[in-house]
Amino acid sequence: EAGVVQSPRYKIIEKKQPVAFWCNPISGHNTLYWYLQNLGQGPELLIRYENEEAVDDSQLPKDRFSAERLKGVDSTLKIQPAELGDSAVYLCASSPKSGSGSYEQYFGPGTRLTVT
Amino acid sequence: GDSVTQMEGPVTLSEEAFLTINCTYTATGYPSLFWYVQYPGEGLQLLLKATKADDKGSNKGFEATYRKETTSFHLEKGSVQVSDSAVYFCALFTGNQFYFGTGTSLTVIP
Repeated sequence: EAGVVQSPRYKIIEKKQPVAFWCNPISGHNTLYWYLQNLGQGPELLIRYENEEAVDDSQLPKDRFSAERLKGVDSTLKIQPAELGDSAVYLCASSPKSGSGSYEQYFGPGTRLTVT
Repeated sequence: GDSVTQMEGPVTLSEEAFLTINCTYTATGYPSLFWYVQYPGEGLQLLLKATKADDKGSNKGFEATYRKETTSFHLEKGSVQVSDSAVYFCALFTGNQFYFGTGTSLTVIP
């Protein structure tokens, strides 16, 4: 079974430029997460999708960040314009079910963004 | 609010040494608890989990017990190997959201 796929793996851009990250979750996984991971820190949730619906985007800086999951499968996270402080690793994760109790996430390798 | 606190690293051990990485949590209700491992250049991988008090999660020689009375989920391994070198994250799931600790870097030297 293929894991969570993310691209690109690395991206270097100048500040004020736009950037987009793509994620393809594990087949059949309805729940998709985007996380931000700063160096030496744990992942912080940006947005969570249940199928194509964004059910938790309270931590997404909506002035510059946007995300979509139009067909409930793959997803794109966009930053426009990027700022120096956006340099981090952007992780995508998926899960086969939502709700309480046992709930396992499967992570992709992440996209390392460097804003210069 | 809900949160996870884990011991700061980095931790350096000799091969075959005993490992403990402390993790405590703050949460309302009855969260599920997890340990994830992140190898260099890779995403996080689930190492083990426990969904209720007194449950013991185990995998690859690692163990952690869900202690509600002390709100802890400490990770242990009796004999570490060089291949265990990685960053370890404690996490809790409240039913709606995951909360991760800051990670503890482990280096095992031969």
